[in-house]
Amino acid sequence: DAKTTQPPSMDCAEGRAANLPCNHSTISGNEYVYWYRQIHSQGPQYIIHGLKNNETNEMASLIITEDRKSSTLILPHATLRDTAVYYCIVLYNFNKFYFGSGTKLNVKP
Amino acid sequence: AAGVIQSPRHLIKEKRETATLKCYPIPRHDTVYWYQQGPGQDPQFLISFYEKMQSDKGSIPDRFSAQQFSDYHSELNMSSLELGDSALYFCASLIRGEETQYFGPGTRLLVL
Repeated sequence: DAKTTQPPSMDCAEGRAANLPCNHSTISGNEYVYWYRQIHSQGPQYIIHGLKNNETNEMASLIITEDRKSSTLILPHATLRDTAVYYCIVLYNFNKFYFGSGTKLNVKP
Repeated sequence: AAGVIQSPRHLIKEKRETATLKCYPIPRHDTVYWYQQGPGQDPQFLISFYEKMQSDKGSIPDRFSAQQFSDYHSELNMSSLELGDSALYFCASLIRGEETQYFGPGTRLLVL
């Protein structure tokens, strides 16, 4: 499974866009990029995933570079409730998740 | 929408006791994963089941065992509990062909 690298923490002002980067330079062609977040000690919450194309849903947008070696999760209008640890995971074929250290996003008023 | 159910939500045990954690996947989901998250750590994969058969195994101690039943619920059995087993235990489920794992709220186990 490909490994991911994320900054340990980021700050974002409430109402502004939060852009969370992830490097996955060893990703293979059939591995998906998944994003989850964990608020306090709750169960990880699914946000979005993609393979090659950019994706958008009601929570966020996922931008994957053309070479697929990195991606960015965008929360368009961050709120205080978006404060959480965000995990970027690459996954193939129903495999278990390898959680890295994630990015602790602090949304400030 | 229905979510993954885990029980109990909180559990306190003494050292050397046993514990059983239960996971009820989302309806129609046929695959279950178990993860352990120690204090201040990231979730670590323990074991997974597909159609009642073990499909993958991670860093699960020999003192732990698990199974998936005909109704697809799963149980994680933990024996000879140690202080280091104190952690959050998450169950996740998915339906084959749809890839995305959905996590339950977790069981917080405290071993005294």
